[in-house]
Amino acid sequence: AQTVTQSQPEMSVQEAETVTLSCTYDTSESDYYLFWYKQPPSRQMILVIRQEAYKQQNATENRFSVNFQKAAKSFSLKISDSQLGDAAMYFCAYRSAVGGGSQGNLIFGKGTKLSVKP
Amino acid sequence: KAGVTQTPRYLIKTRGQQVTLSCSPISGHRSVSWYQQTPGQGLQFLFEYFSETQRNKGNFPGRFSGRQFSNSRSEMNVSTLELGDSALYLCASRRQRMNTEAFFGQGTRLTVV
Repeated sequence: AQTVTQSQPEMSVQEAETVTLSCTYDTSESDYYLFWYKQPPSRQMILVIRQEAYKQQNATENRFSVNFQKAAKSFSLKISDSQLGDAAMYFCAYRSAVGGGSQGNLIFGKGTKLSVKP
Repeated sequence: KAGVTQTPRYLIKTRGQQVTLSCSPISGHRSVSWYQQTPGQGLQFLFEYFSETQRNKGNFPGRFSGRQFSNSRSEMNVSTLELGDSALYLCASRRQRMNTEAFFGQGTRLTVV
């Protein structure tokens, strides 16, 4: 079974600074997707960034980028120029790309609570 | 374009009762998944529906059930509520099952007293 681990329950960053959130995962599959979701106090999960395992190039979305190390099964999220609105819970998630029932569900880590100091 | 809509937003029920939660996916989306979020267990997958058929189910007791209608709207039902069922229930929709991101609703906060 696949697992996702986020070892940092809480992180703090100064506004305009850079912060990196860590995520490791375990899987025997070679084809999968990885995601970072943001959950602000409004509770709605918002997709921040996604990475396909077959792509070597790290995904980027504006101030958000990932460091995907497939061999190490590591998937960290870097937030540059942090803003007050970035404060939220961040969840790392895995989805299988292999055919069959398991492709339907996301497997989440426990989350990292990010605080942004003005 | 409207997002994923979950109703109700908040619910308080008594132990032993049953409850039905509703999820309307984004227009054109045919896959609906449900997740339970608690402080202790985090986010756990409940089940997924696609084309009115349950495609995948998480490790939850039979008290948790769901269905999907022809318009892709989905409901989940929890019977014989227990205190431990208190949680945020999130619904996510996707256009297709493969290769697409999931878009989440704001959830239903269920409190069992």
